[in-house]
Amino acid sequence: GAVVSQHPSWVICKSGTSVKIECRSLDFQATTMFWYRQFPKQSLMLMATSNEGSKATYEQGVEKDKFLINHASLTLSTLTVTSAHPEDSSFYICSAPPTQSGELFFGEGSRLTVL
Amino acid sequence: GENVEQHPSTLSVQEGDSAVIKCTYSDSASNYFPWYKQELGKRPQLIIDIRSNVGEKKDQRIAVTLNKTAKHFSLHITETQPEDSAVYFCAASILTGGGNKLTFGTGTQLKVEL
Repeated sequence: GAVVSQHPSWVICKSGTSVKIECRSLDFQATTMFWYRQFPKQSLMLMATSNEGSKATYEQGVEKDKFLINHASLTLSTLTVTSAHPEDSSFYICSAPPTQSGELFFGEGSRLTVL
Repeated sequence: GENVEQHPSTLSVQEGDSAVIKCTYSDSASNYFPWYKQELGKRPQLIIDIRSNVGEKKDQRIAVTLNKTAKHFSLHITETQPEDSAVYFCAASILTGGGNKLTFGTGTQLKVEL
């Protein structure tokens, strides 16, 4: 199947700093990628849709100025958590559809801990 | 928007027994229903999916049924094994040319006991 790679797999940062997470599609091009957030023992909640060549689309309640998304190329999307606070600590997972047919492939996920 | 409900939240079965997880969705336009298995700290893995033009799909020990009229779908795992223990998520979406935005259920923690 298609491969989606995410980096870093875990990161610890101080409150107030910014953290960048990368999501790459390794063997296909993705005009669209999705960013999810998962708190412990909870479901995956869609944060935003990353669109190559245009602005990201954010879900209701997600601050676009805090969670900056850049779809730099057809194989790379980045999520930057700006001015991170402890409540931003979570598991962030990206996903991409290799085709328009449906199946989503997920990255490994990035566990963010803000001290 | 779409809302997906899933139950039970936890399910404990004996090895060899069957497990059933049920989901309901709200948007009648949804036409794609995947099921994901997620082990602790890892990414979700697709185990089976079904589209709205099909009522049932089976892959070895795993099967999914879809009732469009009632807007619910179910995952059936037969002959459960300890390695089936994980969190299972159902999801729903409307497949379009612009991608596949999934709405996930709340998850079911399945424990298969020896």
